Amino acid sequence: GDSVTQMEGPVTLSEEAFLTINCTYTATGYPSLFWYVQYPGEGLQLLLKATKADDKGSNKGFEATYRKETTSFHLEKGSVQVSDSAVYFCALGQGGKLIFGQGTELSVKP
Amino acid sequence: ETGVTQTPRHLVMGMTNKKSLKCEQHLGHNAMYWYKQSAKKPLELMFVYSLEERVENNSVPSRFSPECPNSSHLFLHLHTLQPEDSALYLCASSQDFGQGNEQFFGPGTRLTVL
Repeated sequence: GDSVTQMEGPVTLSEEAFLTINCTYTATGYPSLFWYVQYPGEGLQLLLKATKADDKGSNKGFEATYRKETTSFHLEKGSVQVSDSAVYFCALGQGGKLIFGQGTELSVKP
Repeated sequence: ETGVTQTPRHLVMGMTNKKSLKCEQHLGHNAMYWYKQSAKKPLELMFVYSLEERVENNSVPSRFSPECPNSSHLFLHLHTLQPEDSALYLCASSQDFGQGNEQFFGPGTRLTVL
């Protein structure tokens, strides 16, 4: 069945460091891909999305490119801030449903 | 109120209690979802409603019973739960039930079963 695999956390970075969180997927057909973020004590918020191959989603300095050839949707940010500390979830949308990865906790230290 | 709201935010119940979780969306969406979020596990989709009809039921135990009286409200009725049901229960909505539709999440209800 369809699935999403994310790199395990926690990931700890210093402020202004470069961030990459890897995400790969297995799916039939042509899913949409999403990154959601969950701040402490809150629900999930959509960070960015891409609906077809080679699309790049971007928001708040975060980017991810839908790579069909490598079945990947890695999340990147050039310079993280303390306020980016949260749990990040990669997800694929197929048949009206979202299938999530297990989440990657990011901690950014000043 | 805006977005997706959930009440209560925290709930502690015994295994013999009956309680209900409430979700309300103020976005004019047609689809609503219940998810279970347990520590160190991916979110688990429990139920999906589209235009007030259930379209997905992912082998959820019968001690969880959903209700969608209209397109803005979704309930999760709980009875005779087990300690392993303790988790964060998230409600979400989307414009329609279909691929590529962004889901908007509520803040969740933190449930503890004693």
